[in-house]
Amino acid sequence: AQKITQTQPGMFVQEKEAVTLDCTYDTSDQSYGLFWYKQPSSGEMIFLIYQGSYDEQNATEGRYSLNFQKARKSANLVISASQLGDSAMYFCAMRGRRTGGGADGLTFGKGTHLIIQP
Amino acid sequence: GAGVSQTPSNKVTEKGKYVELRCDPISGHTALYWYRQSLGQGPEFLIYFQGTGAADDSGLPNDRFFAVRPEGSVSTLKIQRTERGDSAVYLCASSLGRGDTEAFFGQGTRLTVV
Repeated sequence: AQKITQTQPGMFVQEKEAVTLDCTYDTSDQSYGLFWYKQPSSGEMIFLIYQGSYDEQNATEGRYSLNFQKARKSANLVISASQLGDSAMYFCAMRGRRTGGGADGLTFGKGTHLIIQP
Repeated sequence: GAGVSQTPSNKVTEKGKYVELRCDPISGHTALYWYRQSLGQGPEFLIYFQGTGAADDSGLPNDRFFAVRPEGSVSTLKIQRTERGDSAVYLCASSLGRGDTEAFFGQGTRLTVV
C-alpha cells in the first residue's frame, strides 16, 4: 500500500531560520514521484517542488529544496531563510500506483502546520 | 480566468439532498482531478479524468458519488443522498497532461451537510 507519513503536526520557527519538514513514504513501485504543496489559510494548494524516483540530484526551486534519501524512503522539504509568508500547512504527496487503484492522482500525508515567528 | 475555478465556494445542504460541485480547469489542460479534504487531513484522491473520460475513479467512496466531464473541460462532481460524513472541502486540480509534474488546484468548495 502506498503511504505518506508526516510526523510533525506543527512547527514554530524563527524568521530567517532554515526549516526542515519531514516526510517518509512507503511504496512497492520502482517508479514514483514525490511532491510538496503549501496550503495557506485561503485553502488553495500551491505546488512547491517535485522529485522523481530516478532523479539522481535533489530538486531545488528557489528557497525550497528536497532532501531525497531513496534508501531511507524519505523526502524532506528544506526551506532556507524562512519568511513570515511561509506560515501555512505543508503537505508531502506521492504519485504512484495506489492499492486497488491506478497510478494517477496523488496520495497525501496529513500535513505539517508551520508557523514562522518574527 | 487564469486559474482553476470552483463553484460554489461554500455549499450548505440538508442531509439526503443532492448537490453538484463545479470545476472549471485551466484552458488547455486535459487532465482533471477531484480530491476531498476532511478537517485536519490531507486531500484524498477521488477521480481522474483524461479528456472526457474518467480514467481512474477508484477513489470514489461509494455509488452516491459521480463525476462527469462531457466536453473535456468543465467537470461536475455529483453527490446523491448526502450524508453528514460527506462534509469536507472538495478540491479540483488540472494539469496539461497525464503524468505532468505540476497540477494546479482550485480554492475548493466547502460542503457542509446539516
